[in-house]
Amino acid sequence: DIQMTQSPSSLSASVGDRVTITCRASQGISNYLAWYQQKPGKVPKLLIYAASTLQSGVPSRFSGSGSGTDFTLTISSLQPEDVATYYCQKSGDFGPGTKVDIK
Amino acid sequence: EVQLVQSGAEVKKPGESLKISCKGSGYSFTSYWIGWVRQMPGKGLEWMGIIYPGDSDTRYSPSFQGQVTISADKSISTAYLQWSSLKASDTAMYYCARRVVVVTAGDAFDIWGQGTMVTVSS
Repeated sequence: DIQMTQSPSSLSASVGDRVTITCRASQGISNYLAWYQQKPGKVPKLLIYAASTLQSGVPSRFSGSGSGTDFTLTISSLQPEDVATYYCQKSGDFGPGTKVDIK
Repeated sequence: EVQLVQSGAEVKKPGESLKISCKGSGYSFTSYWIGWVRQMPGKGLEWMGIIYPGDSDTRYSPSFQGQVTISADKSISTAYLQWSSLKASDTAMYYCARRVVVVTAGDAFDIWGQGTMVTVSS
């Protein structure tokens, strides 16, 4: 079983800040990684798949990178509507999530 | 419009059985895997299993194997998640989601149902 970890578990940043979330796989997974956003009380939403491909309709301030075991999700300029928990996923395993809020 | 519509919230007693549903529309239901994801109150997402409605091929997470049954009726474009004997610890939101496979780049859940809240309490 592949274990997915995320860091940090939570963060607080100001509007306009650049935010980076890290996801690590316990073994190499090539670029087989997706990122999801779940706003409070809402359904999860796919942001990025194949580690770096932006899902249609997702704002360009979101980007993903990485390959192998280490991946990042970056929000280039944090907006109030980005308050959410972000999850990485490799097939049958989700990461524990990173909660993002506004300072 | 591509969508997955789930059945409504359920309140059950421990030991009771339950089957919840997820109906797909706006796309070829038999051509995509459907997955089920659990989210316990205040917790993260857990991958439960997936089914390919075209031939009912089903895969389970080891954590959920034997605890639930995933099925599908392709004639009505509906997938199901069922329990034979509920426990209080099954209290959670359950989501179905459409799985897309990207050649040489893994997979992801691109369309999600609205969720079905299951509450198990005596």
